[in-house]
Amino acid sequence: DGGITQSPKYLFRKEGQNVTLSCEQNLNHDAMYWYRQDPGQGLRLIYYSQIVNDFQKGDIAEGYSVSREKKESFPLTVTSAQKNPTAFYLCASSTYTSRQGTDTQYFGPGTRLTVL
Amino acid sequence: SQQGEEDPQALSIQEGENATMNCSYKTSINNLQWYRQNSGRGLVHLILIRSNEREKHSGRLRVTLDTSKKSSSLLITASRAADTASYFCATAYNDMRFGAGTRLTVKP
Repeated sequence: DGGITQSPKYLFRKEGQNVTLSCEQNLNHDAMYWYRQDPGQGLRLIYYSQIVNDFQKGDIAEGYSVSREKKESFPLTVTSAQKNPTAFYLCASSTYTSRQGTDTQYFGPGTRLTVL
Repeated sequence: SQQGEEDPQALSIQEGENATMNCSYKTSINNLQWYRQNSGRGLVHLILIRSNEREKHSGRLRVTLDTSKKSSSLLITASRAADTASYFCATAYNDMRFGAGTRLTVKP
């Protein structure tokens, strides 16, 4: 059963702590993405990766870090430098070719992060 | 910055009516995609239209793309209460950028 999973579903963080959000896919997709969604708003791109061991910053990368050591996994760390991290975080994956660019994205169920 | 801009921000209709949502964007694209999001959930892909296509259909969905005007529209025909959700357009090139969405409410 192919898909994309995120864990945990809910996460609570104390101020000053780093937390890591997990994202795993078994769709054999090359590209993976992290988005942040604030209430009533659209998605903003944090980081994306088109190939293992490579990733690029999106529009709001400050205070976040990622790694892409395996094709299936793209964890996101929310660092203490992120001043307002309370939000809904969505991970996605897609096929990618240099000719056609990004294709259909498949999304995980999301992680809701709350800073206490 | 967000690439797509949806219009209207919110739309409320009766069951059985058609719903039309519009999306405008600013730069080059390879394709444009529409997604649906139920409250508190991930996004679900609805339809993709490539930059060399002008219209596409999928069930009760019809999407148009006008690259000269940098705009797209999503039409949902014969809407149902279950269509109540937020709808997002996304423009794809090397990455994907989403708009702020249209909140659709279909009243039974």
